[in-house]
Amino acid sequence: NAGVTQTPKFQVLKTGQSMTLQCAQDMNHNSMYWYRQDPGMGLRLIYYSASEGTTDKGEVPNGYNVSRLNKREFSLRLESAAPSQTSVYFCASIFGSGNTIYFGEGSWLTVV
Amino acid sequence: GENVEQHPSTLSVQEGDSAVIKCTYSDSASNYFPWYKQELGKRPQLIIDIRSNVGEKKDQRIAVTLNKTAKHFSLHITETQPEDSAVYFCAAILATGANSKLTFGKGITLSVRP
Repeated sequence: NAGVTQTPKFQVLKTGQSMTLQCAQDMNHNSMYWYRQDPGMGLRLIYYSASEGTTDKGEVPNGYNVSRLNKREFSLRLESAAPSQTSVYFCASIFGSGNTIYFGEGSWLTVV
Repeated sequence: GENVEQHPSTLSVQEGDSAVIKCTYSDSASNYFPWYKQELGKRPQLIIDIRSNVGEKKDQRIAVTLNKTAKHFSLHITETQPEDSAVYFCAAILATGANSKLTFGKGITLSVRP
């Protein structure tokens, strides 16, 4: 039981390049989330998927797209990376509202 | 939507002293209040939570209290140790079974001075 696994752990991109962050959970959780964490800003929600087949915007969705590929996997795509997207990205999942939120180990992304 | 604020933003205490971190929330319907601890370079992890049908919950050196009338809840850490140094996040959630977006406070950085 690996919990929440996200890849890659570290990535350096040039401005304008695209990339996809992958996230998978093996806990049969219904909901999955993508957050970004910047110094002094806490965890800000980018997108979430309440259940398989649905996705919704969070607080800071601009510049990102997501895909809930199946119940296990939820990917985050940067179509044209910008320096402002330099951040640590966390994927998270939850079985149901009011239960423990499990986070992945984080992905450190630098856009130069 | 729910708005959660944490106070103070940073807190420094001497080892062995107690630390209290407070969160306020806006939606009176929220009924589940977890606290997450994030050590430097690590992922956030749940340390304690409380539901709206109780006023206090303890787990060894940590406790959480809830004041529904005032819409705030607090994390209490007694006999602080250097390993308690971390960022602490709170959230206020309406646990209905249906899932919705989960938002956290901005986090409080606790430093425990040896």
